Amino acid sequence: SQQGEEDPQALSIQEGENATMNCSYKTSINNLQWYRQNSGRGLVHLILIRSNEREKHSGRLRVTLDTSKKSSSLLITASRAADTASYFCATETTGTASKLTFGTGTRLQVTL
Amino acid sequence: DAGVIQSPRHEVTEMGQEVTLRCKPISGHNSLFWYRQTMMRGLELLIYFNNNVPIDDSGMPEDRFSAKMPNASFSTLKIQPSEPRDSAVYFCASTSGTGWRTGELFFGEGSRLTVL
Repeated sequence: SQQGEEDPQALSIQEGENATMNCSYKTSINNLQWYRQNSGRGLVHLILIRSNEREKHSGRLRVTLDTSKKSSSLLITASRAADTASYFCATETTGTASKLTFGTGTRLQVTL
Repeated sequence: DAGVIQSPRHEVTEMGQEVTLRCKPISGHNSLFWYRQTMMRGLELLIYFNNNVPIDDSGMPEDRFSAKMPNASFSTLKIQPSEPRDSAVYFCASTSGTGWRTGELFFGEGSRLTVL
C-alpha cells in the first residue's frame, strides 16, 4: 500500500520557473526522503529530512516537513529542462523494522 | 564505485517459465531492498535484507516469488512460475543505514520483465 501521495500527479512548467510538489503521508515517520527518476532509469536520492527538522536546502532544492499535517513539499527553483523527471517522496516509518515506502510520484515536465 | 548492478536489464519470457533477477549491492552496504514498479501500483517494496538476513518479506506477492542473499555481495529474486501480471520493472537498492534505520537508498537501473 502507498504511504505517500504526491500532488500534483503531473506538472508542466517553463524553464526558469519554480516547481513545487507536495507529499502527504499517513503514519509517523523517522524521516522523509525525495527521489528523482529519469525515464527508464533507477531512482536517485535528492534529499533527506528528519522528523525533527522543518526545512532543508540543497542547491536549488528546498524541502519542508510539517509532521502535524503529515505533509512535505519539494521546491525546485529556477528549473531547467534537465529537471524533467518523476519525483517521489519516500517515508521511513517508525518501528522496529523501519522500511522506506514510496509515494505515487509527480511527473515534472520542464519546457524551453 | 560502480553502484548497484542489476542483471538482466531486460527479460522477455513466456508464462510458466522461471525468471531469476540478480543484484550486486554497493560494497560495504549492509541492507538490500527489492522493489517492483508498475504504472498501476507504483513502487512496491517486496522484501529487504539486513546483513544478509531477510527482515520483512510481507510485500512478496505470493509463493511464486522468492529472494535470497547468500552473501553480502549478491542477491537474487526468483519468480517460478512467471505470469503476465508479473510484468514490471524490478529494482534492487542498497544502503548502509545504521541498525534498522534505512537512510539513503542507492538504486540499480532496474530489470524490465515482460511475461507473455
